[in-house]
Amino acid sequence: NAGVTQTPKFQVLKTGQSMTLQCAQDMNHNSMYWYRQDPGMGLRLIYYSASEGTTDKGEVPNGYNVSRLNKREFSLRLESAAPSQTSVYFCASQRETQYFGPGTRLLVL
Amino acid sequence: DQQVKQNSPSLSVQEGRISILNCDYTNSMFDYFLWYKKYPAEGPTFLISISSIKDKNEDGRFTVFLNKSAKHLSLHIVPSQPGDSAVYFCAASEGGGTSYGKLTFGQGTILTVHP
Repeated sequence: NAGVTQTPKFQVLKTGQSMTLQCAQDMNHNSMYWYRQDPGMGLRLIYYSASEGTTDKGEVPNGYNVSRLNKREFSLRLESAAPSQTSVYFCASQRETQYFGPGTRLLVL
Repeated sequence: DQQVKQNSPSLSVQEGRISILNCDYTNSMFDYFLWYKKYPAEGPTFLISISSIKDKNEDGRFTVFLNKSAKHLSLHIVPSQPGDSAVYFCAASEGGGTSYGKLTFGQGTILTVHP
């Protein structure tokens, strides 16, 4: 039982490049979330998916897209990366409380 | 506009003493509150929660107090241990009385427990 897994662990992008952050959970949870963590800001919600087939915007959705591929997987895509998207990204799934993955550190140059 | 605030960026405590971490919120619709603990290079892990219908919840060394009129909650750790050294995040949800729902996080407080 791996819980919530995220790939990659670390990524460096140049401005304008695109990439997809992958997230998978094996706990059969319906709800999944993407957050970003910046210094002094705590975690801020980017997008969430209450169930398979649905996605909704969170607090800071601009510049991102998501796909809930199936119940297990919820991916986050940056179409054209900007330096302001340099952050640590956390995926979470929820039953009663939210369980977080280990994070993806993204550096956009 | 920060709806959940942790005004102390850091806290240093001696092993065996009490650690008190504070959190304030502004949104009166929040009805479920949680504390998460985070070690470096790991994701946050759930620690303890409290519903707005209660004013106290206890789990071992951890107790969370909620003062709804003041829109304030606190986490007490007694006794503090060096392994408690981590970043602690306060979070709140408009879950309708359950734990479900989007979380709004505070900025975090770095707790250091000295041996």
